[in-house]
Amino acid sequence: DADVTQTPRNRITKTGKRIMLECSQTKGHDRMYWYRQDPGLGLRLIYYSFDVKDINKGEISDGYSVSRQAQAKFSLSLESAIPNQTALYFCATSDPDGRDTQYFGPGTRLTVL
Amino acid sequence: AQSVTQLDSHVSVSEGTPVLLRCNYSSSYSPSLFWYVQHPNKGLQLLLKYTSAATLVKGINGFEAEFKKSETSFHLTKPSAHMSDAAEYFCVVRAAGGTSYGKLTFGQGTILTVHP
Repeated sequence: DADVTQTPRNRITKTGKRIMLECSQTKGHDRMYWYRQDPGLGLRLIYYSFDVKDINKGEISDGYSVSRQAQAKFSLSLESAIPNQTALYFCATSDPDGRDTQYFGPGTRLTVL
Repeated sequence: AQSVTQLDSHVSVSEGTPVLLRCNYSSSYSPSLFWYVQHPNKGLQLLLKYTSAATLVKGINGFEAEFKKSETSFHLTKPSAHMSDAAEYFCVVRAAGGTSYGKLTFGQGTILTVHP
C-alpha cells in the first residue's frame, strides 16, 4: 500500500464550485505539505503544517485553505474554484526534524472549467 | 532566502550516451539538495540527496550528483542513458535555517528525452 495517498486522483469541476482534495499518510510524519505543479514552473508550496496545531501559508496560498484533521490527514480546499487553479496538486510528508526526504503522493489532477 | 535554477528546460540524448542535467542554487544556510524524477502521469520519486556528508552522491538507477559549494552547483549525471530515463527531473533545495526551515524550493524542471 502507498504511504501517501490522495483522493480524488482526477477531478473536473466548474468555476465557483467548492472543491476538497484529501491527503492521508501512514508514515507517521508530523509534517505535511500541499504543492501545485504547473508546466514550466516546477512545484510551488501552497500550505504546510508542522503538526496538527501548526498551519502555515506557503508562497501561493491565496484562494486556498487547509485543514489538518489529524496527524495523518491534511485536506486542501478551494472555496470557489477558478480556471487558473487548474493544475496538478501534490501532497507530501516529511519526518519530524525536517532533515529527511519529503515523500510525495501520486497527485490529483484538477481541471476547473 | 533560497532559489534553484535548472539551466536547461529540455535535454535530448541518444541511448547509451552520457546525461548531464545542470542545477545551480542559492541558499542563506548550508543547504540540503535533492533530485526528484517524475515520469509521465506519475508522482515524484527521489533520485538522490545531499545532506552535508560526501559531496559525490550516488542515487538510484545509476544517477549521481556532485555538490560543489564554490560553484553553487549540484549537477545530475549518468554515464549511459536508458530509454526508461525519459522523464522530467527536478532539482530541489531545502531550507536549513531561519523561518523557512524544512521547506523545499523546486527548480523549474528539465525534460529529458532519450532517442533510440
